[in-house]
Amino acid sequence: GEDVEQSLFLSVREGDSSVINCTYTDSSSTYLYWYKQEPGAGLQLLTYIFSNMDMKQDQRLTVLLNKKDKHLSLRIADTQTGDSAIYFCAETPSTGFQKLVFGTGTRLLVSP
Amino acid sequence: EAGVAQSPRYKIIEKRQSVAFWCNPISGHATLYWYQQILGQGPKLLIQFQNNGVVDDSQLPKDRFSAERLKGVDSTLKIQPAKLEDSAVYLCASSKEDGDTQYFGPGTRLTVL
Repeated sequence: GEDVEQSLFLSVREGDSSVINCTYTDSSSTYLYWYKQEPGAGLQLLTYIFSNMDMKQDQRLTVLLNKKDKHLSLRIADTQTGDSAIYFCAETPSTGFQKLVFGTGTRLLVSP
Repeated sequence: EAGVAQSPRYKIIEKRQSVAFWCNPISGHATLYWYQQILGQGPKLLIQFQNNGVVDDSQLPKDRFSAERLKGVDSTLKIQPAKLEDSAVYLCASSKEDGDTQYFGPGTRLTVL
């Protein structure tokens, strides 16, 4: 089945690192994504990782993928107040067309 | 490059009324998606078009929801009649082809009273 889970809330101080975690159930997922949603806005693609990789780094963002445990994480280095938003992980299931299955989202609050 | 456009941004209606949302995808994108995002949840796919054909509408409540993409470009999503539980943000996304990265519009926030 398709199910993506995330913790609901994370609070950090400006300058610290943030780690947002996600677990998924479809072990055959091809791509896993991280999207950011700011209040009143649509979803902005942050980064994605192909299922045959275990790490991807893009400036302040590091994605780690543990396929054995079906665990995905997003690390934001030097977190800024502008990073405050809801972060969604999403998978593309192995069956059917390439729809995205989203988690419930993690609200990140960055305090000065 | 212009992004995905949606209108209106906000809509308030009473239950049993009808409502329609419009989406203009990124130019040249063959695949268009409509998602429903209920408050506190992640988006859920309602329908996916490849050009002007439907490829996945398995989660669309077809007794009240309909969608079309007649010329393979713009799309409309309609709800008739609306229920209280339809209150949500309706997001449109597009991608070059099926399986490519999806780009999202700002969404339409629907409130059903």
